[in-house]
Amino acid sequence: GAGVSQSPRYKVAKRGQDVALRCDPISGHVSLFWYQQALGQGPEFLTYFQNEAQLDKSGLPSDRFFAERPEGSVSTLKIQRTQQEDSAVYLCASSLAETNEKLFFGSGTQLSVL
Amino acid sequence: SQKIEQNSEALNIQEGKTATLTCNYTNYSPAYLQWYRQDPGRGPVFLLLIRENEKEKRKERLKVTFDTTLKQSLFHITASQPADSATYLCALVEPNDYKLSFGAGTTVTVRA
Repeated sequence: GAGVSQSPRYKVAKRGQDVALRCDPISGHVSLFWYQQALGQGPEFLTYFQNEAQLDKSGLPSDRFFAERPEGSVSTLKIQRTQQEDSAVYLCASSLAETNEKLFFGSGTQLSVL
Repeated sequence: SQKIEQNSEALNIQEGKTATLTCNYTNYSPAYLQWYRQDPGRGPVFLLLIRENEKEKRKERLKVTFDTTLKQSLFHITASQPADSATYLCALVEPNDYKLSFGAGTTVTVRA
């Protein structure tokens, strides 16, 4: 595709429900990042993949958060037993090279946990 | 602790004027700094990158400066237009790292 695609655009979940957020990066992009953005704040790093390898998951807030990129392209961020504090916009970004000097972001998934 | 601080107040300016945004950082030694634009409901869009050994970078009506002594970057939009209205985020990366650390952003509104 022409850009980074994320789905769904909006997700409403009941507290305790599991959710899965999908990211289709730009074809051929080696690096993939997940960021979390609260209202009025800048994006906060969650996790980083280089191809299929998850090189850094230090930003994941708890063990309820899990991300994968099994074939080095599409990535899924899963949140188990969602809590109200998980409500945020989840942004995916990809980059052509390992230097990551220019990130291309998707439009994000807005998650609301009721 | 590490901090990245941008103008705390939103910026409202008249069309044609220059908007100047600040980004100050504490306890970072960035290899480079980037500026992104974010529109409501959209992801950030890359604008400019400036390295630690560069003082100034320009792209069309945009100018970025980087002062590692002051630990500050300034972002200027000259001859501003209503279409420049958006939130502008600064982000930095430390040497041998790959993840961007972002400020909270400054919202700019350009009045016609």
